Amino acid sequence: QLQLQESGPGLVKPSETLSLTCTVSGGSISSSSYYWGWIRQPPGKGLEWIGSIYYSGSTYYNPSLKSRVTISVDTSKNQFSLKLSSVTAADTAVYYCARLVVVTVGNWFDPWGQGTLVTVSS
Amino acid sequence: QSALTQPRSVSGSPGQSVTISCTGTSSDVGGYNYVSWYQQHPGKAPKLMIYDVSKRPSGVPDRFSGSKSGNTASLTISGLQAEDEADYYCCSYAGSYSWVFGGGTKLTVL
Repeated sequence: QLQLQESGPGLVKPSETLSLTCTVSGGSISSSSYYWGWIRQPPGKGLEWIGSIYYSGSTYYNPSLKSRVTISVDTSKNQFSLKLSSVTAADTAVYYCARLVVVTVGNWFDPWGQGTLVTVSS
Repeated sequence: QSALTQPRSVSGSPGQSVTISCTGTSSDVGGYNYVSWYQQHPGKAPKLMIYDVSKRPSGVPDRFSGSKSGNTASLTISGLQAEDEADYYCCSYAGSYSWVFGGGTKLTVL
């Protein structure tokens, strides 16, 4: 059974860089048909797609965050990571990682990690 | 890339049916049959309930169904049960390997 687990600091100072890692277990991050994504949810608000990556390293970002986001993959560790620079209080959110299934007939996010709360505060 | 539009809340009594709408544009919902729906209980991660507009993953009750007409997708839950009370989010492919979510709908089972 595939599982994803987010890890990283729960508190980041304004203007600094948020860094999170998602560890995939129970399956290979290098499987074809699968991309890997980051989604966030500010407290009491809705979900926002941040970006996605393929095991080859191809990346796709939300245009509204593109200038500040970097997603990378480490196939040897079965992990992928998120970096969000120049953070402000508006970046305070629960950050989820998820597998993005992309096949010729469709695409969807499943499963999801449990999420990790990152607070931006001095 | 604007968030898809969902009603803030819907409600229904046990045994009844409710429908949650998700309105986008011809660049997302209307342009692709790639709408998925997620259920989220408080403090929990989202769970996939419907994918590709109307397909149900294994393990999801057939009380949950999805459909689409033009730029609006819908999630219908029939035979409401207490455990269906949760937040529901739609998501659509928006082209060029990008995705957009709805603002979420809180379902209350009266």
